Amino acid sequence: QVRLVQSGAEVKKPGASVKVSCKASGYPFATNYIHWVRQAPGQGLEWLGSINPSGGATFYAQRLQGRVTMTRETPTTTVYMELSSLRSDDTAIYYCAKDLGVGVNVGYDYWGQGTLVTVSP
Amino acid sequence: DFQLTQSPSFLSASVGDRVTITCRASQGIGNYLAWYQQKPGKAPNLLIYTASTLQSGVPSRFSGSRSGTEFTLTISSLQPEDFATYFCQQLNTYPPTTFGQGTRLEIK
Repeated sequence: QVRLVQSGAEVKKPGASVKVSCKASGYPFATNYIHWVRQAPGQGLEWLGSINPSGGATFYAQRLQGRVTMTRETPTTTVYMELSSLRSDDTAIYYCAKDLGVGVNVGYDYWGQGTLVTVSP
Repeated sequence: DFQLTQSPSFLSASVGDRVTITCRASQGIGNYLAWYQQKPGKAPNLLIYTASTLQSGVPSRFSGSRSGTEFTLTISSLQPEDFATYFCQQLNTYPPTTFGQGTRLEIK
């Protein structure tokens, strides 16, 4: 069965970086985009960016340009999201999600369990 | 700037009721709209994609429709497990993609 398993919770100080992993299994890794979405406490969903596991092309939210980097490791079918220069308003649950579409983005059919990133002095 | 406006933000209803949630796009997005359900402490769950296609495993009481730039999620007869928060997402202008602000559906 399809699974996305994320790394555990992180506590970071302002200005630090965090790297969250997302291991995919149960489907052909290169076929579907992986997206990253975050949700601040009690808030809505914010798209952070996407990576095409086939080739590694990335697309980032404009407001995070320069602070976010997404990479993939094909042999281990793992995708990473690194966010630098952390601020208190980066405190959120970070999700990875697989796109249902092949070659087109139509919606996210499988999600990781979420990783809580807390930014605190 | 592109806007995706979801309404209402909060909805109170009873088991058995028919409810509708709307997302309005500020410009044409074709059928590139998805709907999600999210329960507390859980990741979102895809209900509908391409405006009206029911995701595998989702009960048939959920349906989606489109009229121009207005999209509607309908739950035909609310069940206790349907009380949750619902989000729409547009994927036409990807990147970026945009989520609606969410509709919290509570038991009356």
